[in-house]
Amino acid sequence: DTEVTQTPKHLVMGMTNKKSLKCEQHMGHRAMYWYKQKAKKPPELMFVYSYEKLSINESVPSRFSPECPNSSLLNLHLHALQPEDSALYLCASKTGTGYNNEQFFGPGTRLTVL
Amino acid sequence: KQEVTQIPAALSVPEGENLVLNCSFTDSAIYNLQWFRQDPGKGLTSLLLIQSSQREQTSGRLNASLDKSSGRSTLYIAASQPGDSATYLCAVGGATNKLIFGTGTLLAVQP
Repeated sequence: DTEVTQTPKHLVMGMTNKKSLKCEQHMGHRAMYWYKQKAKKPPELMFVYSYEKLSINESVPSRFSPECPNSSLLNLHLHALQPEDSALYLCASKTGTGYNNEQFFGPGTRLTVL
Repeated sequence: KQEVTQIPAALSVPEGENLVLNCSFTDSAIYNLQWFRQDPGKGLTSLLLIQSSQREQTSGRLNASLDKSSGRSTLYIAASQPGDSATYLCAVGGATNKLIFGTGTLLAVQP
């Protein structure tokens, strides 16, 4: 089973709201990723977790706050977002933390900030 | 800095045609290259992963090749079908443990 699940599928929020995106995988993968994708553009890396520790933060604004409570779960907490943050947010996981492993993506959460 | 380019940006072919998608990268010091397909508004589906020591990988009607020294990869799709219509993305993995994505090729297969 190579499935990464994400909830919710769609999210609409105001600029003062606080919300969270959730990502889950049960494949035993120890590296997990958050990406942001705007229309007609490739995904842009936001964060990487390796063995539940944050290993890469691509200079993402602090209004995005990642959390990895355990090896199967990855959250992205959202607060005081801007309309330009509207995008498809993708979660991915990798079979190992080494460099030669395949990444698997979830279906994404479509976020709209009003 | 690694840059990944895909040509063409868009391609329209009649059903049944064999086709080739191209991916170029500027830094040949890669660990692997992965091909994905993405349907509109959906996540990415992994198609093939080629390790840096490999020359090609095959899965069904798909064949991906890798030439590290020239910084090129191709994805060959045999006997294309309307269901193959999607955006195809290549991504290179290096020592930073990140994937660097190409610009994508939007494929339309006409029935």
